[in-house]
Amino acid sequence: DVKVTQSSRYLVKRTGEKVFLECVQDMDHENMFWYRQDPGLGLRLIYFSYDVKMKEKGDIPEGYSVSREKKERFSLILESASTNQTSMYLCASRPLGTSGRNEQFFGPGTRLTVL
Amino acid sequence: DAKTTQPNSMESNEEEPVHLPCNHSTISGTDYIHWYRQLPSQGPEYVIHGLTSNVNNRMASLAIAEDRKSSTLILHRATLRDAAVYYCIPMYFKAAGNKLTFGGGTRVLVKP
Repeated sequence: DVKVTQSSRYLVKRTGEKVFLECVQDMDHENMFWYRQDPGLGLRLIYFSYDVKMKEKGDIPEGYSVSREKKERFSLILESASTNQTSMYLCASRPLGTSGRNEQFFGPGTRLTVL
Repeated sequence: DAKTTQPNSMESNEEEPVHLPCNHSTISGTDYIHWYRQLPSQGPEYVIHGLTSNVNNRMASLAIAEDRKSSTLILHRATLRDAAVYYCIPMYFKAAGNKLTFGGGTRVLVKP
């Protein structure tokens, strides 16, 4: 079974803390993504990576950074957590695509609360 | 990205078919139509995609209108496990990247 795992299902942090969200996939996929999901706003792309050490900004990168040192692992970093970063964070991976199929495999999500 | 219109919610009885419509009148000729669904407390999962022809897989069927301005996802025999929010996503295909832009989707309720 293909799998995307995220380090925590629930996380509570304080304002100003540095937060690391880890994502690991076992499918040897080139592309990996970080989204956040908020009620009424849908999924929004924060960053994606199409190869090791490569990253591109998504729609809402402010306040976040990412790291991809190994192909299977993509980390999202909140440099100084703020209350408006309270959200559900979803990691996804996808192989280098062919034939129009854009099947992204999602992890279970991390619900982050910043107090 | 093409805009989509989907009903907010639909109800179905278990074992009955469900037809989920999606209007995407601004779709471009090179956009593929993807469908994803999100079960409660889970990340989204891919359901099916197509370009012009109707498509079938083990999860569902996708019927695409001839003018491609609309499509319908068909769940042939709904089960309780099919209760989820279903998203229709027109998308230009790129080998690398390709964010998914989810709209409001249709919440499907399956009654036993």
